Amino acid sequence: AIQLTQSPSSLSASVGDRVTITCRTSQGISRGLAWYQQKPGQAPKLLIYDASSLEDGVPSRFSGSGSGTNFTLTINSLQPEDFATYYCQQFNSFPALTFGGGTKVEI
Amino acid sequence: EVQMVESGGGLVQPGGSLRLSCAVSGFIFSSYEMSWVRQAPGKGLEWVSYITNSGDTIYNADSVKGRFTISRDNAKNSLYLQMNNLRAEDTAVYYCVRPYSGTFYFVYWGQGALVAVSS
Repeated sequence: AIQLTQSPSSLSASVGDRVTITCRTSQGISRGLAWYQQKPGQAPKLLIYDASSLEDGVPSRFSGSGSGTNFTLTINSLQPEDFATYYCQQFNSFPALTFGGGTKVEI
Repeated sequence: EVQMVESGGGLVQPGGSLRLSCAVSGFIFSSYEMSWVRQAPGKGLEWVSYITNSGDTIYNADSVKGRFTISRDNAKNSLYLQMNNLRAEDTAVYYCVRPYSGTFYFVYWGQGALVAVSS
């Protein structure tokens, strides 16, 4: 299965900051990558799919980029409600779907 | 409005069995492939099982192969996960998930069912 490595595993940021999270895959996956946001006690929420397409209703301060083995989630002007854990996910190695280890964004 | 509600979680001893159910509404269940994803306490997400819309093809993660069986009843708009020979490492919240059609981007998630395996 394709392994996904997220970095950093956690970060501290302030409201208004620009935050960048990286997801590296062990094999090239074209652009078949998604990003999810998860808040404590809640199910994950899809933010980005196809590496850079914004899910309906997701604020435009979220953006995704990358292809092949290197992908990035960027949050421009971090808001209080953005403090959460973020996961990347790929399905190129279906049926072995895999998630990254997560990045916790803390105040 | 799409709703997916899991049930059947609980505390079970190692080696025991449990059956999770996921009742769905708000979309044509028989048109969508479905999966189960789990999350151990304080840990990340792990895909567990997949089933086609008709139920004729299933796949499982290596960690549960031979022990877990995914199934569905399209007439009842329900997804199931039969879990046998449970281990401590199966302790997790189990989510029923639905992707965008033709993809594995999980756009809809249930609220999760907690399964705790302990003696």
